Amino acid sequence: GNSVTQMEGPVTLSEEAFLTINCTYTATGYPSLFWYVQYPGEGLQLLLKATKADDKGSNKGFEATYRKETTSFHLEKGSVQVSDSAVYFCALTGGGSQGNLIFGKGTKLSVKP
Amino acid sequence: GAGVSQTPSNKVTEKGKYVELRCDPISGHTALYWYRQSLGQGPEFLIYFQGTGAADDSGLPNDRFFAVRPEGSVSTLKIQRTERGDSAVYLCASSLRRASGLDTGELFFGEGSRLTVL
Repeated sequence: GNSVTQMEGPVTLSEEAFLTINCTYTATGYPSLFWYVQYPGEGLQLLLKATKADDKGSNKGFEATYRKETTSFHLEKGSVQVSDSAVYFCALTGGGSQGNLIFGKGTKLSVKP
Repeated sequence: GAGVSQTPSNKVTEKGKYVELRCDPISGHTALYWYRQSLGQGPEFLIYFQGTGAADDSGLPNDRFFAVRPEGSVSTLKIQRTERGDSAVYLCASSLRRASGLDTGELFFGEGSRLTVL
């Protein structure tokens, strides 16, 4: 079945540093890819998505490009802020029922002032 | 309501007891999902409803777990004879399905119900 592997954390960065969180996937067919974020004390929320190869999802300064050749969907941000401190989850559609998502284990990001 | 609401936010129970967790999805969202998140792990799919029916229950770990959505809105996840290994955060999500049947891909999550089985 479909699966996703993401970079283990925690990741600690200083404000304005460059962020990369790696995510690779295994899938049959053509899944959609997502990054979800969970801020402290809040529920998971969609950060960005890409539905086909070479699509770039972007939101709040974060970007990720759907790379079919490397089966990757790495999350990047050029200059992180303290408010970006959260847990980030890479996910893809499961290949079974429509809308079911398979999540990675999550990467905790802490940004220090 | 404005978002997905889950109750209780915390539940502590003893091994062997019965537990119900409730989810109130966003109004108008026809698809509803239950996930389980153990410490240090990502959410793990349990069951998916489209309307009143369970469209996919392949993630339920065993027959102690059951979920209903009798009127196509509120859903209840039921766990019988709880075990210590059931301790986790149970997440509910809802989404709006397009007329074509393809989901938008965006799930709206509640804050979860933290279950602790002693």
